Amino acid sequence: GESVGLHLPTLSVQEGDNSIINCAYSNSASDYFIWYKQESGKGPQFIIDIRSNMDKRQGQRVTVLLNKTVKHLSLQIAATQPGDSAVYFCAPTRGFQKLVFGTGTRLLVSP
Amino acid sequence: NAGVTQTPKFQVLKTGQSMTLQCAQDMNHNSMYWYRQDPGMGLRLIYYSASEGTTDKGEVPNGYNVSRLNKREFSLRLESAAPSQTSVYFCASGGGSDQPQHFGDGTRLSIL
Repeated sequence: GESVGLHLPTLSVQEGDNSIINCAYSNSASDYFIWYKQESGKGPQFIIDIRSNMDKRQGQRVTVLLNKTVKHLSLQIAATQPGDSAVYFCAPTRGFQKLVFGTGTRLLVSP
Repeated sequence: NAGVTQTPKFQVLKTGQSMTLQCAQDMNHNSMYWYRQDPGMGLRLIYYSASEGTTDKGEVPNGYNVSRLNKREFSLRLESAAPSQTSVYFCASGGGSDQPQHFGDGTRLSIL
């Protein structure tokens, strides 16, 4: 089955720095990769997704990079703000069904 | 636009009691999902419904039942609650390709 690993359980950055959150996956059949942000006491919130036929996608202050060769993706957050403090999950999926969530990376942003 | 609405937000049960968690979405999505999240862990899929009238087991279905009442509503039932079912339960809906799952804010369930 699918397994999802994250390289760091907690990432601490200073406000204004760029943050990079990494994610490894195991199922090469995954065709969509979704990043979610979960703030304390709330449900996961969709941030950005990327198809398997792309290697980079940009959103507002966020960039996702996909390396299918090594089954790795990353989420880059530019100019990190205190409001970015949350747990971030990557979720590989096939056709948006049956997301597989890892344990998440907690991003702590200090002023 | 409310998105995905879950009720109740909090609930405390005694072992052996039953209850139903309610979920409704207003995004006209075909698929709906129930997950549980235990402390310090990711979400695990309990059941899902790919379309009205169908339901399928996910990773951790034991002890739960679901009903897809109509396109908008998907309920999760605990027939005989056990302490191991203490968790935060999230409902999600998704429309399929190019429509990632959207989540409610969860039901925090404690079973004593």
